[in-house]
Amino acid sequence: QSALTQPASVSGSLGQSITISCTGTSSDVGGYKLVSWYQQHPGKAPKLIIYEGNKGPSGIFDRFSDSNSGNTASLTISGLQAEDEADYYCCSYAGGSTLVFGGGTRLTVL
Amino acid sequence: QVQLVQSGAEVKKPGASVKVSCKVSGYTLTESSMHWVRQTPGKGLEWMGSFDPEDGETIYAQKFQGRVTMTEDTSTDTAFMELSSLRSEDTAVYFCATDVSAPYYLDYWGQGTLVTVSS
Repeated sequence: QSALTQPASVSGSLGQSITISCTGTSSDVGGYKLVSWYQQHPGKAPKLIIYEGNKGPSGIFDRFSDSNSGNTASLTISGLQAEDEADYYCCSYAGGSTLVFGGGTRLTVL
Repeated sequence: QVQLVQSGAEVKKPGASVKVSCKVSGYTLTESSMHWVRQTPGKGLEWMGSFDPEDGETIYAQKFQGRVTMTEDTSTDTAFMELSSLRSEDTAVYFCATDVSAPYYLDYWGQGTLVTVSS
């Protein structure tokens, strides 16, 4: 199972919006539409941000939204804040009770 | 609240095995699957496999088949991941994570266990 493809890095200014893409295949992202997103700060465990459109820890990640089209899922962060600077990973169900992660995207807030 | 607490860091020699534990509280192991994810230094997350308590079935990523064993002790609400035939490339932080809210969405994570493989 190959890792999903994410951009290595993205950047945005405070208050702006950014989008991170996650591209897979019809065997994972496109086939099942079961994609979740995780935020990881250095030295910390990943945290679930969002899944299935708008589900996730309520009140914590309200500026985050996700979408899914074809074999590509996307995470959008609006109103960028300094604390959003972190690594972001997508994860997709890949059939047979297996999961596959993306390679991760480093977000820099300017 | 749900908590997953993992065992401490380990240093192993090549060829040895390591067994990492993950004790849960705030829910019971039988309520959701336990997944194991690793992160090699400076790299991304890698799903290793999971244990489904409904049928006792383990599913392992192809890369780790034959080397990894995931088990649970429901009497102590502790999950275990054992990796054998260790090599230097297995040096990584190993996380346990569970999908309490919905299958395949990892909403609770352990703090991670650093396993260093070095001669």
